[in-house]
Amino acid sequence: QKEVEQDPGPLSVPEGAIVSLNCTYSNSAFQYFMWYRQYSRKGPELLMYTYSSGNKEDGRFTAQVDKSSKYISLFIRDSQPSDSATYLCAMNSGNTPLVFGKGTRLSVIA
Amino acid sequence: ETGVTQTPRHLVMGMTNKKSLKCEQHLGHNAMYWYKQSAKKPLELMFVYNFKEQTENNSVPSRFSPECPNSSHLFLHLHTLQPEDSALYLCASSRRDPPAKNIQYFGAGTRLSVL
Repeated sequence: QKEVEQDPGPLSVPEGAIVSLNCTYSNSAFQYFMWYRQYSRKGPELLMYTYSSGNKEDGRFTAQVDKSSKYISLFIRDSQPSDSATYLCAMNSGNTPLVFGKGTRLSVIA
Repeated sequence: ETGVTQTPRHLVMGMTNKKSLKCEQHLGHNAMYWYKQSAKKPLELMFVYNFKEQTENNSVPSRFSPECPNSSHLFLHLHTLQPEDSALYLCASSRRDPPAKNIQYFGAGTRLSVL
């Protein structure tokens, strides 16, 4: 079983839709959870950062962590064409290297 | 701009060539990383440097040779590469101590093609 599983998509949604992106993981020691966004021809940039279980909201973005299910989500409300990118989940237990998912490619169609 | 600059952006090299990738960070960080990004695969960590000292070598073949002369600069020296080494090579930097080390800033990458 891979440490982090992420559906690579592609995912295509109309503008204004609510987008749900997800990752599952197998290592129960993971405590720190991140979502990175990567535009075409750019490096990843940190979008959301959460510690342990719970929700975190930042504008149109909400990150959720359910440690009991080993499942994390990123929700994008009122999606815009500028949200079209690849979204990478990443996680670790603190003082260990980040483990990344494969990334989900999202297209928001105007 | 993310504060992490990588050059060159694109590189085409033959299997017998020697080339180097360069990374520079202007963020005052003291940890730097090399990652490999291939299609349909997760980001693969290659090397980690903390305060110029290599602390992680993720079973990377010796045809990849990193160099970190100071906390702001990181190089990846390449020689006798294979076609399967074609990928996007990303440099990142962060503060050294957890949990801040999880907040990594990436460069735009070098797209490498090995012929």
